[in-house]
Amino acid sequence: GENVEQHPSTLSVQEGDSAVIKCTYSDSASNYFPWYKQELGKRPQLIIDIRSNVGEKKDQRIAVTLNKTAKHFSLHITETQPEDSAVYFCAANSRSNTPLVFGKGTRLSVIA
Amino acid sequence: DGGITQSPKYLFRKEGQNVTLSCEQNLNHDAMYWYRQDPGQGLRLIYYSQIVNDFQKGDIAEGYSVSREKKESFPLTVTSAQKNPTAFYLCASSIGGAQETQYFGPGTRLLVL
Repeated sequence: GENVEQHPSTLSVQEGDSAVIKCTYSDSASNYFPWYKQELGKRPQLIIDIRSNVGEKKDQRIAVTLNKTAKHFSLHITETQPEDSAVYFCAANSRSNTPLVFGKGTRLSVIA
Repeated sequence: DGGITQSPKYLFRKEGQNVTLSCEQNLNHDAMYWYRQDPGQGLRLIYYSQIVNDFQKGDIAEGYSVSREKKESFPLTVTSAQKNPTAFYLCASSIGGAQETQYFGPGTRLLVL
């Protein structure tokens, strides 16, 4: 089945700098890659997703890139702000009737 | 995600007791999921259901049971066989299979007395 590896597990950046989180997946048939943000004690919320027919997607300060050949996808946050501090999870699908497989998460701290 | 509700927000379990966590959605989603999250850890899949009256075990189903008698509801029972139930439990739903976005409920924190 699908296996998703996420790095780094923790990341600290200065406010205003960029943050990059990378995930690799194992199933070449995967075609849907969402990213979730989870603030302390709250539910994970979808922040951006990408499907395998595109290589990049942007939404304001957030972007996701996908390299199907290398089987990895990355989350890019520019001009980080303290409210970006949270745990971020990547995920990938596998066969169409099995649930998303999640990475173990990255705890991002933005230092003011 | 506002269409998924979980109750209660906090739940206390006594030794040897079964407890049931509620999950309801009004999004008309076919698929529903239960995840367990331990402090500082990721999401581990307990059970999932793609359609009413059908469900499958996830990675950590031992000590848990579910039912899916209605499309809107997917309750999770934590049985006395689950020896370490203290965790944050998240329910999610999606329109269909794993091609679709999952939306999460607010979670239930289960504590053992």
